[in-house]
Amino acid sequence: GQSLEQPSEVTAVEGAIVQINCTYQTSGFYGLSWYQQHDGGAPTFLSYNALDGLEETGRFSSFLSRSDSYGYLLLQELQMKDSASYFCAVRDPSSASKIIFGSGTRLSIRP
Amino acid sequence: NAGVTQTPKFQVLKTGQSMTLQCAQDMNHEYMSWYRQDPGMGLRLIHYSVGAGITDQGEVPNGYNVSRSTTEDFPLRLLSAAPSQTSVYFCASSTEGSGANVLTFGAGSRLTVL
Repeated sequence: GQSLEQPSEVTAVEGAIVQINCTYQTSGFYGLSWYQQHDGGAPTFLSYNALDGLEETGRFSSFLSRSDSYGYLLLQELQMKDSASYFCAVRDPSSASKIIFGSGTRLSIRP
Repeated sequence: NAGVTQTPKFQVLKTGQSMTLQCAQDMNHEYMSWYRQDPGMGLRLIHYSVGAGITDQGEVPNGYNVSRSTTEDFPLRLLSAAPSQTSVYFCASSTEGSGANVLTFGAGSRLTVL
């Protein structure tokens, strides 16, 4: 099966940079995705990495190392609105519709 | 575009009752799935579908049934509700394009089983 590990909580200061790590185990790899979820809301897609390296989208970047089965989400110039839970996810090799999520990292931002 | 619509938003059941959570999408996505979310446990896949007439079990399928008679609709049935099924349920849809398979989620349905 597929499994993903992420830290349960991370705390950072407004304006700073924070990195949320994700390690995964999968029998076949089709890329690593990241989702954001605010309290009481639905998850929303942030980024996707299929190849090694860094993908940048504004203040958010995502990194992948396939040889290490590891990725991270980097949030820069943190704002209070970035307080949320962040999930990494992988596709199961058996089906494109079978997406497995990590347990999530709750990011708390202090003024 | 409504996206993914889930009903009801809130529901309280008694143990042993049955109910159906509705999910509809208007994006012509071929893939649909149901997740449950419990505190500290992230999103766990219940059932998923790759198209009309095709469904399969996810990580936690016991106690739930699904069917996919149309591309648009993917209802989730609880046959005999148990307190362990108290959770927030999310329906999601996606289409395979550019490899990312981006999930679009509904707003969620909060279910309490007494």
